[in-house]
Amino acid sequence: LAKTTQPISMDSYEGQEVNITCSHNNIATNDYITWYQQFPSQGPRFIIQGYKTKVTNEVASLFIPADRKSSTLSLPRVSLSDTAVYYCLVGVGDYKLSFGAGTTVTVRA
Amino acid sequence: GAVVSQHPSWVICKSGTSVKIECRSLDFQATTMFWYRQFPKQSLMLMATSNEGSKATYEQGVEKDKFLINHASLTLSTLTVTSAHPEDSSFYICSARVADLAKNIQYFGAGTRLSVL
Repeated sequence: LAKTTQPISMDSYEGQEVNITCSHNNIATNDYITWYQQFPSQGPRFIIQGYKTKVTNEVASLFIPADRKSSTLSLPRVSLSDTAVYYCLVGVGDYKLSFGAGTTVTVRA
Repeated sequence: GAVVSQHPSWVICKSGTSVKIECRSLDFQATTMFWYRQFPKQSLMLMATSNEGSKATYEQGVEKDKFLINHASLTLSTLTVTSAHPEDSSFYICSARVADLAKNIQYFGAGTRLSVL
């Protein structure tokens, strides 16, 4: 499994855009990049997944440069309810998911 | 998205008793489910991989005789914590993998908070 590195924490204010960058220098050709969100005392929730370039859904956007050694999760106009831990994972197929420490995003009023 | 139901959400038990946690995929079939444990302020740790119709695969350091996993159908996996002790108190989370191996998206249950007295 490709090891990932992301910031431990980020602070933001309501209405701002939050960008979390994840480094995965050893990503393999077949690996997808997946982001999960976890609120306290809840299971993680799938947010978005991508392979290259840009992916957008109703919740977030995922930007992946050509070399795929990093990715950036973008949360537009965050609200207090977006306060959570965000995990970046890289892997494929039968590989087990390995959760790192994640990024704790705190949104303030 | 796919829905995974986990039950119970919270359980308190006496030391030495056994506790069973159920994990169901509600609108899809899951040949593979996973069980995680999460301690306060820590990340998720994979305990075992549960495959329908076969024995579970446990991660290093996880006692298979203490954490019994049964995956008897394509929609149900159970984790039984046998002879629970206070150090087993934790947040247990299951997940199910949606088909399409290339993408390996897992959907998670809401978790079970286990408190052993």
